[in-house]
Amino acid sequence: KQEVTQIPAALSVPEGENLVLNCSFTDSAIYNLQWFRQDPGKGLTSLLLIQSSQREQTSGRLNASLDKSSGRSTLYIAASQPGDSATYLCAVPAGVDTGFQKLVFGTGTRLLVSP
Amino acid sequence: NAGVTQTPKFQVLKTGQSMTLQCAQDMNHEYMSWYRQDPGMGLRLIHYSVGAGITDQGEVPNGYNVSRSTTEDFPLRLLSAAPSQTSVYFCASSFRGRVGEKLFFGSGTQLSVL
Repeated sequence: KQEVTQIPAALSVPEGENLVLNCSFTDSAIYNLQWFRQDPGKGLTSLLLIQSSQREQTSGRLNASLDKSSGRSTLYIAASQPGDSATYLCAVPAGVDTGFQKLVFGTGTRLLVSP
Repeated sequence: NAGVTQTPKFQVLKTGQSMTLQCAQDMNHEYMSWYRQDPGMGLRLIHYSVGAGITDQGEVPNGYNVSRSTTEDFPLRLLSAAPSQTSVYFCASSFRGRVGEKLFFGSGTQLSVL
């Protein structure tokens, strides 16, 4: 059974710092990995999706990497801003025989960026 | 584009009551799903559908029913609410069968069962 772990559970940094969020998964046979952002009281927004054949994806100040063999992904946020404050979740498909969209989520990293 | 719309945003029920959480999407997505989010446990899949007339169970289906009569709508029914169903419920959708398709979420329904 696929399990996803995110460390740390919470992170507080001053504005301008570069930071790394970690995600690990137990079954390396994945099709892809998604990073989501969740603001308080809101739904999830997909930030980046990395295919299993890719090693990284970039969107603006965000860079996500994927190492399938070690079962790890990192989300790098450059020059953090107060507007980046949110919970970040990673998710992978439940299994290769269950379809691409049935996702298993980590419990998230709650990020606070102080001015 | 409205995206994925969930109603209501908040609901309080008494134990034993039934209700339906509504979900609609306007992106012509084949795949729709319901998740619940509980503190410390992440999101867990309740039910999902890969198209009109087709539904299947996820990780935590007990106490919930779904149906998919149209591509746009995927309601979640609580048959007899229990305090353990107090949670935040999210509906999500995407195109089906494509490895690179992102999942789109609604803004959630916060449900309290007393």
